[in-house]
Amino acid sequence: EADIYQTPRYLVIGTGKKITLECSQTMGHDKMYWYQQDPGMELHLIHYSYGVNSTEKGDLSSESTVSRIRTEHFPLTLESARPSHTSQYLCASSEYVGGNTEAFFGQGTRLTVV
Amino acid sequence: GEDVEQSLFLSVREGDSSVINCTYTDSSSTYLYWYKQEPGAGLQLLTYIFSNMDMKQDQRLTVLLNKKDKHLSLRIADTQTGDSAIYFCAESRGSARQLTFGSGTQLTVLP
Repeated sequence: EADIYQTPRYLVIGTGKKITLECSQTMGHDKMYWYQQDPGMELHLIHYSYGVNSTEKGDLSSESTVSRIRTEHFPLTLESARPSHTSQYLCASSEYVGGNTEAFFGQGTRLTVV
Repeated sequence: GEDVEQSLFLSVREGDSSVINCTYTDSSSTYLYWYKQEPGAGLQLLTYIFSNMDMKQDQRLTVLLNKKDKHLSLRIADTQTGDSAIYFCAESRGSARQLTFGSGTQLTVLP
């Protein structure tokens, strides 16, 4: 059973609000990731981190920002939410052992911006 | 950018075998993965295969890898209604070996 948690599970918020999606893992993994999942199912990597104080942009450009002050915590922030940010956001962590990246995913946060 | 490609939909009858196909792009990928996503949930790792293997079997799941054609498939034997979900193949690439996912295949199992 994966020990990675996302809160909230569902969020409906008005345009222009600042929001933070929380992601925590208790497995001590260095690498963490945020994926955005379109309604049509495709997953896109928007941010990742190698470890504490490391943040990198992913394949898909995003207006969100992330921080990694502690190993277990990788929050994602939108300074001013817009309807185009409506999506499912999935957080993951992984360890890289002998070439194998086994990633564990949170349950996701479904964000709706109205 | 380069894509990992899957067909979007597959329907099978309960008890039949399901075969979900995927083509990937990074020939240096050492591991390839299959994940399952049930409605409203995150992704769950089903199985993975090391790139020097042609086949891996794990109970009802069989993974076939054709490295020359960069083709990966997942066969589910005796498919059950509980297998209805979205199935993603993934390869690890990049400096952080982050996973790049296919578009997902929605498997529907009909009674």
